[in-house]
Amino acid sequence: DSGVTQTPKHLITATGQRVTLRCSPRSGDLSVYWYQQSLDQGLQFLIQYYNGEERAKGNILERFSAQQFPDLHSELNLSSLELGDSALYFCASSVAWNRANEQFFGPGTRLTVL
Amino acid sequence: AQTVTQSQPEMSVQEAETVTLSCTYDTSENNYYLFWYKQPPSRQMILVIRQEAYKQQNATENRFSVNFQKAAKSFSLKISDSQLGDTAMYFCASKSNSGYALNFGKGTSLLVTP
Repeated sequence: DSGVTQTPKHLITATGQRVTLRCSPRSGDLSVYWYQQSLDQGLQFLIQYYNGEERAKGNILERFSAQQFPDLHSELNLSSLELGDSALYFCASSVAWNRANEQFFGPGTRLTVL
Repeated sequence: AQTVTQSQPEMSVQEAETVTLSCTYDTSENNYYLFWYKQPPSRQMILVIRQEAYKQQNATENRFSVNFQKAAKSFSLKISDSQLGDTAMYFCASKSNSGYALNFGKGTSLLVTP
């Protein structure tokens, strides 16, 4: 158990819908990262937050957004869902945001868009 | 941007044998970090081993060790005394000293057979 929690574990929804994925980092970790794992794209970095502020953006679609709240939990919002958004979404956390701080991964949320 | 290449989509090894997983990367930076992550059927991402590019000594964690060849930009993972529980996807990843996110390879599926 990494100490990072993600809810829900599974999510099944229809095209065009909007969903919210939630992540709670390990106690003491200020940085949260979101990654998407799909069969065709592999593991891709989406976005990072540090202590409530956005730090870096990766291959995140405009239909996706995220935020980190004062209690440091983070939410990833996916809207106007398409079939291709079906993937495993990971949240990871680390103490800080730079150098070799180890990123601890949550168990992931499996999103299926029908 | 850093790119990571894993040229072996699938490998198999017998229990108690040794196996080596290959990884090459491309970076223009002088200092960076390299990682091997394990993803078992449970889908949890687990850090196996980490190497800092400025350290010449190869990292070792119990049965896991790396062969880091900086000039060749190669970072292979050796698993000694393979166990059935080592069956998993293995991802090589890099992270620049100034960057935030992990850049993952496509992964190598390792099957350990009795």
